[in-house]
Amino acid sequence: DAEITQSPRHKITETGRQVTLACHQTWNHNNMFWYRQDLGHGLRLIHYSYGVQDTNKGEVSDGYSVSRSNTEDLPLTLESAASSQTSVYFCASSENRYEQYFGPGTRLTVT
Amino acid sequence: DQQVKQNSPSLSVQEGRISILNCDYTNSMFDYFLWYKKYPAEGPTFLISISSIKDKNEDGRFTVFLNKSAKHLSLHIVPSQPGDSAVYFCAASRRNSGNTPLVFGKGTRLSVIA
Repeated sequence: DAEITQSPRHKITETGRQVTLACHQTWNHNNMFWYRQDLGHGLRLIHYSYGVQDTNKGEVSDGYSVSRSNTEDLPLTLESAASSQTSVYFCASSENRYEQYFGPGTRLTVT
Repeated sequence: DQQVKQNSPSLSVQEGRISILNCDYTNSMFDYFLWYKKYPAEGPTFLISISSIKDKNEDGRFTVFLNKSAKHLSLHIVPSQPGDSAVYFCAASRRNSGNTPLVFGKGTRLSVIA
């Protein structure tokens, strides 16, 4: 069955470290998205991609970057982790501009 | 500026009764609306959607109503079950703007009490 996976599921890192969160989907979807979920803020879009070599900034992109070298993967990098980036991160993919399929999430703690 | 608003952070309903979750939007260009359900420690999952050419869409116990003039949609769950306890996100998609991502509300936490 097609699926979307995220790794690691839990990560603890120190302030200032570079961290990369992985996202892999097997639906062959062109569209992929990264969100963070925080209490009181719901789901906020960080970055998104509509295909290989395409990346776009979302609502809360500062301090994050993505790259898309193939259809299946969209890794999210925190260049220099900050405590404000402690959150739960969700990756999603979609065939069109409507229904998105979400991964199980990565809980990141920056100490 | 929030384009999709879920003004009730939480809702508590007794098992067997109706749950009504509300969502308001400000952008008249939105033409497709979705509801997602999220359990703790899991990713959101798609629940039901509605196009702006309709005012109602039903799927089993779940019905979404759209009032375009009021820029308001609601999700009805009848009858509510304890397994429906989750966070529900409303989302909207905008036409004639290329492939812009969905815009999500902040979510409403539904608790169904047995």
